[in-house]
Amino acid sequence: GESVGLHLPTLSVQEGDNSIINCAYSNSASDYFIWYKQESGKGPQFIIDIRSNMDKRQGQRVTVLLNKTVKHLSLQIAATQPGDSAVYFCAERSNQGGKLIFGQGTELSVKP
Amino acid sequence: ETGVTQSPTHLIKTRGQQVTLRCSSQSGHNTVSWYQQALGQGPQFIFQYYREEENGRGNFPPRFSGLQFPNYSSELNVNALELDDSALYLCASSSLAGGPLGSTDTQYFGPGTRLTVL
Repeated sequence: GESVGLHLPTLSVQEGDNSIINCAYSNSASDYFIWYKQESGKGPQFIIDIRSNMDKRQGQRVTVLLNKTVKHLSLQIAATQPGDSAVYFCAERSNQGGKLIFGQGTELSVKP
Repeated sequence: ETGVTQSPTHLIKTRGQQVTLRCSSQSGHNTVSWYQQALGQGPQFIFQYYREEENGRGNFPPRFSGLQFPNYSSELNVNALELDDSALYLCASSSLAGGPLGSTDTQYFGPGTRLTVL
């Protein structure tokens, strides 16, 4: 069935370094992808999104890359800060307005 | 803050009981989606409500039901609670055609309701 999976369950980086979180998806019909950040005890917080007609999108300190050929999504965080420590989820959507399919998540830990 | 609110924050029930969770959507949004998040897992889609009707459903049994009201707020009802229903229940607000914001893609989540079934 449909699934979105993450390559690494945990990622530990030094403050100031760049972080890369990877995600694989299986539904080639998905047209929209989102990255969320979830801190302990809180709901997922929107970070950045990308449509399937794009391969790169940049935000403030974050960049999302989409490779439809290999069904791969990545989130790059520049100059990672302690406040970036959280669980990061990628999610895909297969039809407009419809359900989001989430992966298991990657826990990012930033060491000062 | 997303402007999406949920109540209650925490809830403890016993097996077999019924529970109602509530969600108020972000201003201008006309669609509410509900998700169940088990500990250590990603959220799983339960269903979505748009124009007061169910607009898509995930792989959840009929004892999971919902409502959407004219002000776009929503309720999630779970009957005959089971131990495995213990989870964080999230609602997400978005906008589909016909709302003041038109159709948007992004779903914004509330803080969730932590349900524990004993």
